[in-house]
Amino acid sequence: DTAVSQTPKYLVTQMGNDKSIKCEQNLGHDTMYWYKQDSKKFLKIMFSYNNKELIINETVPNRFSPKSPDKAHLNLHINSLELGDSAVYFCASSLNIGGYTFGSGTRLTVV
Amino acid sequence: AQRVTQPEKLLSVFKGAPVELKCNYSYSGSPELFWYVQYSRQRLQLLLRHISRESIKGFTADLNKGETSFHLKKPFAQEEDSAMYYCALRGTGGGNKLTFGTGTQLKVEL
Repeated sequence: DTAVSQTPKYLVTQMGNDKSIKCEQNLGHDTMYWYKQDSKKFLKIMFSYNNKELIINETVPNRFSPKSPDKAHLNLHINSLELGDSAVYFCASSLNIGGYTFGSGTRLTVV
Repeated sequence: AQRVTQPEKLLSVFKGAPVELKCNYSYSGSPELFWYVQYSRQRLQLLLRHISRESIKGFTADLNKGETSFHLKKPFAQEEDSAMYYCALRGTGGGNKLTFGTGTQLKVEL
């Protein structure tokens, strides 16, 4: 039933590790996004894909690599995790125009 | 460049009091404005968008192009309104990118 689902919900890992977060939407939306919410609750876009094509890539370190195998999935892979990567990562989707539907977030803690 | 400003980090009101959460934007074209709400440790949910001109949970917001504002209002605050509120802007280009303000934490006290 869930419209935009992310896994895992919580992720605790050590510095230097590589991890992935998965996102899937069943709304038939064309565009998917990754946003980062930091400890001050600021929300900043990281990436946007439209029909598997990267259309927005904000100034994100290249340790972050999104992958979209099809338009219903947008995964986020992070290499060599750093303490500053600790945040809540939200996936979202939308039609080409319109408001977003957000996932429930993945709380990443790097120790 | 598109920018959204929410000047208040925290707004505390008593139950039954009126609420106004401020939002100002900067954009050279015709933007679309949204309000999103995030209850404690939950996902962001769309509350309002200016083109639909509807009232959700008693909240309304009017786009004022002269003042470049999209303030969120409710005449009588309820305890369950306590949440984080984000104003967001989508410009006419840039792949449907939503730019969010820094958010205002609304606390409704009894």
